[in-house]
Amino acid sequence: SQQGEEDPQALSIQEGENATMNCSYKTSINNLQWYRQNSGRGLVHLILIRSNEREKHSGRLRVTLDTSKKSSSLLITASRAADTASYFCATGNRDDKIIFGKGTRLHILP
Amino acid sequence: DAGVIQSPRHEVTEMGQEVTLRCKPISGHDYLFWYRQTMMRGLELLIYFNNNVPIDDSGMPEDRFSAKMPNASFSTLKIQPSEPRDSAVYFCASSRATGYGYTFGSGTRLTVV
Repeated sequence: SQQGEEDPQALSIQEGENATMNCSYKTSINNLQWYRQNSGRGLVHLILIRSNEREKHSGRLRVTLDTSKKSSSLLITASRAADTASYFCATGNRDDKIIFGKGTRLHILP
Repeated sequence: DAGVIQSPRHEVTEMGQEVTLRCKPISGHDYLFWYRQTMMRGLELLIYFNNNVPIDDSGMPEDRFSAKMPNASFSTLKIQPSEPRDSAVYFCASSRATGYGYTFGSGTRLTVV
């Protein structure tokens, strides 16, 4: 399965600190995406990184991809209370669908 | 654009009843996906369409589940008959093309009692 697996399952940090979440997968991919889900809401697309890219930035988000290790990381800098959510990685292959991992629950403490 | 619109937001039904979930994708998006989310299984892809044609329905759990996309602006997911184990949040998502991010709807929380 090409399903991504996030690590850790849950993470609590102080507001203002950086949060790092990791995703590992098993087969080759065309792209990897990160999504955020607030409690009771739909998923929101954050960033997509293609297999030939190593790093992408979007505001306070930084995503890296290491295809040799089949892993990706999502870094949120200067965390805020509003960043409290679940974060999912999703892997895309040659077909049109993406497969989601189980997610990391991030809790930002005041 | 109003985004992906799903209805209803909540549905409570009795076991054995038919349930129909609805989705309006973003105009111009060629792909439409139906996902189911539970605590135990996470997000499962049920079926997806490309240009209104079902491409992969391997995630549909049983024959009790069916999905249609009669036109580019509307899709339904039907469960008949419903069972308590179908209780979950069902999401619809659309995408412009392969290799682009998905836009999700707010989901339908289904409870079968």
